[in-house]
Amino acid sequence: EIVLTQSPATLSLSPGERATLSCRASQSVSNYLAWYQQKPGQAPRLLIYDASNRATGIPARFSGSGSGTDFTLTISSLEPEDFAVYFCQQRSNWPPTFGQGTKVEIK
Amino acid sequence: QVQLVESGGGVVQPGGSLRLSCAASGFTFSSYGIHWVRQAPGKGLEWVAFIRYDGSNKYYVDSVKGRFTISRDNSKNTLYLQMNSLRPDDTAVYYCAKNRMTYGSALDAFDIWGHGTMVTVSS
Repeated sequence: EIVLTQSPATLSLSPGERATLSCRASQSVSNYLAWYQQKPGQAPRLLIYDASNRATGIPARFSGSGSGTDFTLTISSLEPEDFAVYFCQQRSNWPPTFGQGTKVEIK
Repeated sequence: QVQLVESGGGVVQPGGSLRLSCAASGFTFSSYGIHWVRQAPGKGLEWVAFIRYDGSNKYYVDSVKGRFTISRDNSKNTLYLQMNSLRPDDTAVYYCAKNRMTYGSALDAFDIWGHGTMVTVSS
């Protein structure tokens, strides 16, 4: 199975700062990568699909980039509601797999 | 609105069984593949099983093959997960999640998730 490794494990930032999250795949997943946001006690929410496409209703401050094995989720200016855990997920090969998550916390 | 609502979780002893349900509303259920994804307490997300829009194909993570069965009733807009021979490491919140696209590839991003139902396997 394809292993997704996210870094860093924790990102400590202040509101208004830029967040850059990384997801690296153990083999190429083309552009078949998604990003999700999860807040405590809530289900994940789809942010980005196919590496760079924002899902319905997702603010423009969220952007995704990358292809092959290296991907980035960027939050251009952190809002208070953006402090959460972020997961990447590949849909290139069975089984679909998730990264272990990056927690974005308030500094 | 578009939503998925899970039910059927609870506490069960090792070796026991449980059936989860996922009721869909606000979209054409019969047009979408649906997944079960679980999350152990304090851990990350693990994909568990998938069923195509028409029930013609099913896929499972290796750790549940032979123990879990995914099914759907399109006339009732409901997805199921029959879980047998449960083990303590099956303890998790179980989410159902739909594919973003109708029909198409079985593998897709998951655009709508339920709120989850907790399954605890403990003696």
